[in-house]
Amino acid sequence: NAGVTQTPKFQVLKTGQSMTLQCAQDMNHEYMSWYRQDPGMGLRLIHYSVGAGITDQGEVPNGYNVSRSTTEDFPLRLLSAAPSQTSVYFCASSYNGGRSYEQYFGPGTRLTVT
Amino acid sequence: AQKVTQAQTEISVVEKEDVTLDCVYETRDTTYYLFWYKQPPSGELVFLIRRNSFDEQNEISGRYSWNFQKSTSSFNFTITASQVVDSAVYFCALSESDMRFGAGTRLTVKP
Repeated sequence: NAGVTQTPKFQVLKTGQSMTLQCAQDMNHEYMSWYRQDPGMGLRLIHYSVGAGITDQGEVPNGYNVSRSTTEDFPLRLLSAAPSQTSVYFCASSYNGGRSYEQYFGPGTRLTVT
Repeated sequence: AQKVTQAQTEISVVEKEDVTLDCVYETRDTTYYLFWYKQPPSGELVFLIRRNSFDEQNEISGRYSWNFQKSTSSFNFTITASQVVDSAVYFCALSESDMRFGAGTRLTVKP
């Protein structure tokens, strides 16, 4: 099992550019989520999905889109990158709706927007 | 709305000292789950423990122990006889419909 994988590991964007952060898991987990980590603010939930075809917003969804066409993949799209989106992004998955089971995290993507 | 507060931003101890990391949470649900995660300098997030709201038993795992008290809405984490390898950022998290994290406590254990 590869667990949760994320690509790329590092990315530099210019303001206004768009890109997609990839996330995949091979554990057949129903629940997947995206967090961003900023110094002193812990991990903040961006979007999550309780299963294929179902997504919902977290604490800080503005500027990001997600879709969940398969159980395995949960890409995060930045529509028009802004310097405020400079952060480390973590994807996670868990067995059920994220409520009672621990989440398994990917290694993270460090994004810099200039 | 759910909320997790880790008031200690940074803690520094000398090896072999005991250290307690505080976690206070807010929730309106009667059923919820609490977690602790460790983030070592390498950056990955490592799951440490899960506790549901109906189980207030304290738990011990080696040098780690957790004290869950619903009366004070706290879920504190104690490391006994700390080691340099315990240096990391520790996150407390609360799960209702989704999981929310505290801001984290950076623990530095000096030799």
